[in-house]
Formats: sequence, structure tokens, C-alpha cells
Amino acid sequence: DTGVSQDPRHKITKRGQNVTFRCDPISEHNRLYWYRQTLGQGPEFLTYFQNEAQLEKSRLLSDRFSAERPKGSFSTLEIQRTEQGDSAMYLCASSARQDMNTEAFFGQGTRLTVV
Amino acid sequence: AQSVTQLDSHVSVSEGTPVLLRCNYSSSYSPSLFWYVQHPNKGLQLLLKYTSAATLVKGINGFEAEFKKSETSFHLTKPSAHMSDAAEYFCVVSDASGGSYIPTFGRGTSLIVHP
Repeated sequence: DTGVSQDPRHKITKRGQNVTFRCDPISEHNRLYWYRQTLGQGPEFLTYFQNEAQLEKSRLLSDRFSAERPKGSFSTLEIQRTEQGDSAMYLCASSARQDMNTEAFFGQGTRLTVV
Repeated sequence: AQSVTQLDSHVSVSEGTPVLLRCNYSSSYSPSLFWYVQHPNKGLQLLLKYTSAATLVKGINGFEAEFKKSETSFHLTKPSAHMSDAAEYFCVVSDASGGSYIPTFGRGTSLIVHP
């Protein structure tokens, strides 16, 4: 499979626990995005990377959220001290170039349920 | 700042009748515009994109969209709906705001197709 891969597909966690999601972009795509999608809404941008550099993180929802892309390949999104309001689908996307004409390719997402 | 407004949260059509999903955008630059489709339990798939070439854009599965700068619109159409078109559709804008080229999603339109 040469698409964007996300792991796990589903995660159930207890409130207060930390969770980490992984995203493997399409090979050689240098741009990687994280979005959050709640029921009945469009994906909401969280952060993005150009290679290993995180260029925008002000839209991360709180300081409990952090993301890394240490070698410019896969990325992880961590949520610390989860809350019930964090329950959502977390989407990763990648694109080949840094320009507005290039479409983003999306993974199938990680569905987080906080109980 | 860029933004997208999808004017209908739900559109209901009968199989074989035309489909119109409306999208208006706001951008301080010349934007690129995209339509994505999301089937239940599937990832987001690109239907078509406008990147300042032809204003009438043809996509997959018989969909097309027309970029109208004077109306700041990018409506999605299909001459004849099929049952398999039932899904969530997202209009997306990307422009050079801040040099970031971050795709920004509308809230989505749910297309319901009746037999």
C-alpha cells in the first residue's frame, strides 16, 4: 500500500491517560499535516511539517497536544492527560510539494474515544 | 485569512436526478480549490481541483465544478446521481496566506440519494 498509513485505527483510552498516534506519509512527500474531525464537522487543521520542521503549531488545541516528525518521514501526535472532549477522528495527510496547487492525500484516520 | 462556506449541511436527491453542492470561498489571494469526498469508514478522496487553469474542472465519477471568481463560488455538480454517490463532501481552499498553503475545509455537505 503506497498511501498514507495511520496507526492505530481505533483507540479507546481512559480520561487522564496519554495517547500517541503514528502517521506514515506517502514516500518522499515532504509535507505532512494533522487534522482533527469531530462528528458533523469538517477536518480542523492542527499542525504541519515541512520535512522535519514543524512550521505551524499555534493551532494545536492546547499544550496537551504535541507532534513530532524527527527524521522527516513518519510523524507522531501525542495527547497528554486526555479529556472526553478529545474524542474525535485524527487525520494525517501528506503532499509532495509546498504550494497551494498540490493536493493533500489523507489516511483513514485514528478514531479516539476517551471514556 | 482563507475560509470556505458550504451552504447546505444536507442535500437530498433522487437517483438519476442532478446534484448541486454549493461552496463559497473567501481568500485574499488567488486560491486553489478542491472537492473531497468521504464515504463512511473510508478516507478522504480527492474528487477534483481548480488551480487557475480552466475554470470548469472535471473530476472523477462524473463530477465537475466551475470556478466563478465574480461570485467567489466553486459549486460541485453531477448530471445524474447514483446511489453510490451518497457520502460527505468537503470543499477545500488553499492559498498563499502567510506562505503556508494550508488546506482549509468547509463543514461538509451530506449527500443523500433516494432510490
